[in-house]
Amino acid sequence: DAGVIQSPRHEVTEMGQEVTLRCKPISGHNSLFWYRQTMMRGLELLIYFNNNVPIDDSGMPEDRFSAKMPNASFSTLKIQPSEPRDSAVYFCATGRADTQYFGPGTRLTVL
Amino acid sequence: GENVEQHPSTLSVQEGDSAVIKCTYSDSASNYFPWYKQELGKRPQLIIDIRSNVGEKKDQRIAVTLNKTAKHFSLHITETQPEDSAVYFCAQGGSNSGYALNFGKGTSLLVTP
Repeated sequence: DAGVIQSPRHEVTEMGQEVTLRCKPISGHNSLFWYRQTMMRGLELLIYFNNNVPIDDSGMPEDRFSAKMPNASFSTLKIQPSEPRDSAVYFCATGRADTQYFGPGTRLTVL
Repeated sequence: GENVEQHPSTLSVQEGDSAVIKCTYSDSASNYFPWYKQELGKRPQLIIDIRSNVGEKKDQRIAVTLNKTAKHFSLHITETQPEDSAVYFCAQGGSNSGYALNFGKGTSLLVTP
């Protein structure tokens, strides 16, 4: 079992650019969660999917953020346009029902 | 989401001592309480969890207790070792939140040799 796979692991971009983060869940997991972690705000849930359907996106900070899960094997989190305050570590977690396993995260730096 | 309060925010113990981290929650429908350990620069890792139908669960040096009446749960680490140093997060899940978890703010545990 390869675990949750996220790419890229590190991303440095300039303000205004589009950023796409990717996640491949553990096979058989039907829930997928996107989190953002910063020192100031801790671990924040942005959005989660169950059986590829978005269930709760109330944590998405603003319209610049969007997430998709076109199939059971893949999800993306897109930020367009990016801003310096979006700099954080973005984690994808997947699981069966409420048990969640985290991916290695993507460290995003927006200059 | 519902609040989960975690205390203390930092904890320093000597190697071999015990460490206890406590969390309280407000959602009475909560029925799932996991604990995660996050080492510096790494992902949160699930170390133990408990469901509302039991009051205590142990796994080697780690134990979790749950008091549903008082709405609090605790992580106990015995015979601490330097490699236990990390940030520990409690979380709460339940029927009212679907499959989402509400996380505490974390406890930074330092175990000194």
